[in-house]
Amino acid sequence: GAVVSQHPSWVICKSGTSVKIECRSLDFQATTMFWYRQFPKQSLMLMATSNEGSKATYEQGVEKDKFLINHASLTLSTLTVTSAHPEDSSFYICSAVRDRGNYGYTFGSGTRLTVV
Amino acid sequence: AQKITQTQPGMFVQEKEAVTLDCTYDTSDPSYGLFWYKQPSSGEMIFLIYQGSYDQQNATEGRYSLNFQKARKSANLVISASQLGDSAMYFCAMREGLNNAGNMLTFGGGTRLMVKP
Repeated sequence: GAVVSQHPSWVICKSGTSVKIECRSLDFQATTMFWYRQFPKQSLMLMATSNEGSKATYEQGVEKDKFLINHASLTLSTLTVTSAHPEDSSFYICSAVRDRGNYGYTFGSGTRLTVV
Repeated sequence: AQKITQTQPGMFVQEKEAVTLDCTYDTSDPSYGLFWYKQPSSGEMIFLIYQGSYDQQNATEGRYSLNFQKARKSANLVISASQLGDSAMYFCAMREGLNNAGNMLTFGGGTRLMVKP
């Protein structure tokens, strides 16, 4: 089955530093990856859509300079939270899309970011 | 406007009984897909079941079935014979368009299901 590996699973960082989160499709090529953010007891909110070899498309209200997304290959997308602040503390989760089949959204295990 | 609505923030069900989680959706696209995911406390998103807008029959996957009422724009999840391990958040989601490529999933607010022993 399709597997998406997301690292790290949790991270604590100091305010003002940057954090990189990796999302890797292990056994399939993902032309599209989605990045979601989830606050406690809330739903998943789409942050951006990442397509291999092109610039990410950000949802309204998401700062592209703060949340840098790179999709350099068909198996890897990264989200970098730059100059993190406590309000950026959240659960971040990626989803990789296989072109074939309607079941093809595979999620990473998520990253819990805490900014202190 | 909300595209996916889950009106039950929390529900209890007795172990071994069936439970229905509600989901209504709104779209003008004739081609769409509806998904249900389970999210345990660990945070991972576990795919449960899928229903395409052109599918004639309701989807079933083991203990999960989807009660798809297209005219009412509802896609309720039915879990039969509830187990303690079913306690989790459940999300209904929709993809507009014919296929997944380039089309995001929009999620409902979720329902927290608690199974009582």
